Amino acid sequence: EAQVTQNPRYLITVTGKKLTVTCSQNMNHEYMSWYRQDPGLGLRQIYYSMNVEVTDKGDVPEGYKVSRKEKRNFPLILESPSPNQTSLYFCASRPQVSYTEAFFGQGTRLTVV
Amino acid sequence: KQEVTQIPAALSVPEGENLVLNCSFTDSAIYNLQWFRQDPGKGLTSLLLIQSSQREQTSGRLNASLDKSSGRSTLYIAASQPGDSATYLCAALNTGNQFYFGTGTSLTVIP
Repeated sequence: EAQVTQNPRYLITVTGKKLTVTCSQNMNHEYMSWYRQDPGLGLRQIYYSMNVEVTDKGDVPEGYKVSRKEKRNFPLILESPSPNQTSLYFCASRPQVSYTEAFFGQGTRLTVV
Repeated sequence: KQEVTQIPAALSVPEGENLVLNCSFTDSAIYNLQWFRQDPGKGLTSLLLIQSSQREQTSGRLNASLDKSSGRSTLYIAASQPGDSATYLCAALNTGNQFYFGTGTSLTVIP
């Protein structure tokens, strides 16, 4: 089954404790991206990757890091989480061509206290 | 920067009614526009994708239209059912390869 898998689904952590949210896709997609969803603001792009070793900032990259060492994986790293990073996070993937749909993971609800 | 707006923010209709959800965007330089459904606590499920060169797409009871020149897309749901209750999101894929999302329309279909 074609899917994007995020882990963990839920995470509560403390300010400053480094964490990684993993994202993996099994569709051999070139393009992967991370979003955060906040009430009243909708989904906003954090980082995206056009292919292995190619990453770029989205609209809200501050406080986040990413890496793309393998095509299937695109982890999101919070080096020093802060309470304003409490949010619902989604990973997405799609083929490079623009006429195909994007697939989203089930989301990771992160709470930073 | 692309701004995507969805109106109304919330909608409540009786079962069986036909309804229209609206999405507007400010920058017409898009590759495509995609409609998603989001259920509480779940991820986004793709409903329809319209290429920039297309005017509409249909899937079952759903029909989406796109008017690039006016920066508008609509999602038409025919004969609504309680199972259609969810939040509906539209997203425009810019030529810069970034998705810009609206804030969604929360739909409740009353049995």
